[in-house]
Amino acid sequence: EIVMTQSPATLSVSPGERVTLSCRASQSVSSNLAWYQQRPGQAPRLLIYGASARATGIPARFSGSGSGTEFTLTISSLQSEDFAVYYCQQYSNWPRTFGQGTKLEIK
Amino acid sequence: QVQLEESGGGVVLPGRSLRLSCAASGFTFRSYAMHWVRQAPGKGLDWVAITSYDGSNNYYADSVKGRFTISRDNSKNMLYLQMDSLRGEDTAVYYCATGGSKSVWYYYYMDVWGKGTTVTVSS
Repeated sequence: EIVMTQSPATLSVSPGERVTLSCRASQSVSSNLAWYQQRPGQAPRLLIYGASARATGIPARFSGSGSGTEFTLTISSLQSEDFAVYYCQQYSNWPRTFGQGTKLEIK
Repeated sequence: QVQLEESGGGVVLPGRSLRLSCAASGFTFRSYAMHWVRQAPGKGLDWVAITSYDGSNNYYADSVKGRFTISRDNSKNMLYLQMDSLRGEDTAVYYCATGGSKSVWYYYYMDVWGKGTTVTVSS
């Protein structure tokens, strides 16, 4: 199975800062990569699909890039509602696999 | 709007069975693949299974293969997960999520998620 590795596990940042989250696949997934946001006590929400396309209703401060094995999610200016856990997920191979998550916490 | 509502969770003894349901509304259910994804307490997301739009193709995580069965009833807009031989490590919140439509379901992400139902396997 394809192993997805996210880094860092936790990131302490201040509101207004720009952050970049990383996701690496153990083999190429082409652009079949999605990012999800999960706020405490809530279900995950789709942010990005196709490595770089924003899902419906997702603010422009969220952007994704990469292909093959290396991917990034960038949040240009952190808002209070962005402090959450972010997961990458590949949908190139079975079984579908997620990264272990990156938690954004308030510095 | 698209709505998914899971039900059927609860506390169950190890080795017993449980069936989860997911009621779908707000979209053409019969045209979309559907997933089950779970999350153990304090842990990350773990994909469980997918069924194609017509139920003719199913895929499973190795950890549940042979024990769990995904199915759907397109006449009722319902998705199911039959869980047999339950183990402690199956304790989790179980989410249903929409997949892709007929022509793209094979390479598609999880689009809309339900709120989840909690399964606890414990003696």
